[in-house]
Amino acid sequence: QITLKESGPTLVKPTQTLTLTCTFSGFSLNTTEVGVGWVRQPPGKALEWLALIYWDDDKRYSPSLKSRLTITKDTSKNQVVLTMTNMDPVDTATYYCAHSRWFGEPGYFDYWGQGTLVTVSS
Amino acid sequence: AIQLTQSPSSLSASVGDRVTITCRASQGLSSALAWYQQKPGKAPKVLIYDASSLESGVPSRFSGSGSGTDFTLTISSLQPEDFATYYCQQFNSYPLTFGPGTKVDIK
Repeated sequence: QITLKESGPTLVKPTQTLTLTCTFSGFSLNTTEVGVGWVRQPPGKALEWLALIYWDDDKRYSPSLKSRLTITKDTSKNQVVLTMTNMDPVDTATYYCAHSRWFGEPGYFDYWGQGTLVTVSS
Repeated sequence: AIQLTQSPSSLSASVGDRVTITCRASQGLSSALAWYQQKPGKAPKVLIYDASSLESGVPSRFSGSGSGTDFTLTISSLQPEDFATYYCQQFNSYPLTFGPGTKVDIK
């Protein structure tokens, strides 16, 4: 059974760096073709893909946020960490991590965490 | 980046209705498209992948079709638990992108 869960601060101040951790079970990021990604959703708005990391440490980022994002994995802890620098109130959103697979092309997200709401406010 | 548009943006329907939602891509995707259902306060749930493949455990009243730039999600007989927002997502190329969503509510 695959599960994912996001953790991190619920409130950050403008200009601060956000660090979110995705802890997962039921799969390994050492397994070929496996990936974990991050998707966010501002209140009342649509989903936005942020980043994705694969078993082979290949990393992909949204071009509009690439300069602010870093995604890393710790396979021994079954965790993926996303950092986002220079947070702004427009970054207020629910942040989801999700499981994906690589089949010779980017994949869709078949398992999702419950999401964590991050509010950016002074 | 490949842009996705969805139509309609919202619709009102009754239980038992046949519902069709369209997703159009700015470039050809082959069949690299997924459909998700999202209920308020919940994470998205994948319904369809590869444009027309039903995810395991998803009721057969959901179906997907299309290829290239035009795709459709159909709910053959709307059930009370189907009132939600539906998103398409392309995975043909990076950056991965989602459509703006279609909200299905009760008539």
